[in-house]
Amino acid sequence: NAGVTQTPKFQVLKTGQSMTLQCAQDMNHNSMYWYRQDPGMGLRLIYYSASEGTTDKGEVPNGYNVSRLNKREFSLRLESAAPSQTSVYFCASSEFGDGNEQFFGPGTRLTVL
Amino acid sequence: GENVEQHPSTLSVQEGDSAVIKCTYSDSASNYFPWYKQELGKGPQLIIDIRSNVGEKKDQRIAVTLNKTAKHFSLHITETQPEDSAVYFCAAPRMDSSYKLIFGSGTRLLVRP
Repeated sequence: NAGVTQTPKFQVLKTGQSMTLQCAQDMNHNSMYWYRQDPGMGLRLIYYSASEGTTDKGEVPNGYNVSRLNKREFSLRLESAAPSQTSVYFCASSEFGDGNEQFFGPGTRLTVL
Repeated sequence: GENVEQHPSTLSVQEGDSAVIKCTYSDSASNYFPWYKQELGKGPQLIIDIRSNVGEKKDQRIAVTLNKTAKHFSLHITETQPEDSAVYFCAAPRMDSSYKLIFGSGTRLLVRP
């Protein structure tokens, strides 16, 4: 099992460009998450999907959109990238949400110039 | 809303010594407290967790203690080894949604050989 995979690993964008970060899990998990990690601030939840067909906002959703394409895949889209979105993005999944272990992908390092 | 504070931000110990990291949380209804370890260039990985119906949990050299009255929980690593060097994060769920984990800001642990 590959666990949680993310593409791309690195990306450089110019301000105003758009892009989609891809995430897939092969553990048949119901719940999926997108976090951003900034120095000294830990991980902050952007959006999550409790189950296929549902998505909800986390702590820092502004500037992002998500799509739960199917049970395996959960994508994060930046419509018009801003320098403040420079960060490392992690996708995670869990069997269910309530007190279940979250499994993280390797991350995508995004730089917005 | 839930707030999780983590201390210290950095910790340097001699190999073989113990390390203790402490987190405090604000929502007295929180009932699940995981600890994640993040190695350089990788996503976080769960190392131990505790639920509010117990006060302590051990797994080999790692233990977590929970004081519900004081609203704090701690990670204890005994007989530290160089491979314990990493960033450690505590977390607690927001009670408006158990899917939303609020992470502490992280502790960088360095174990000196």
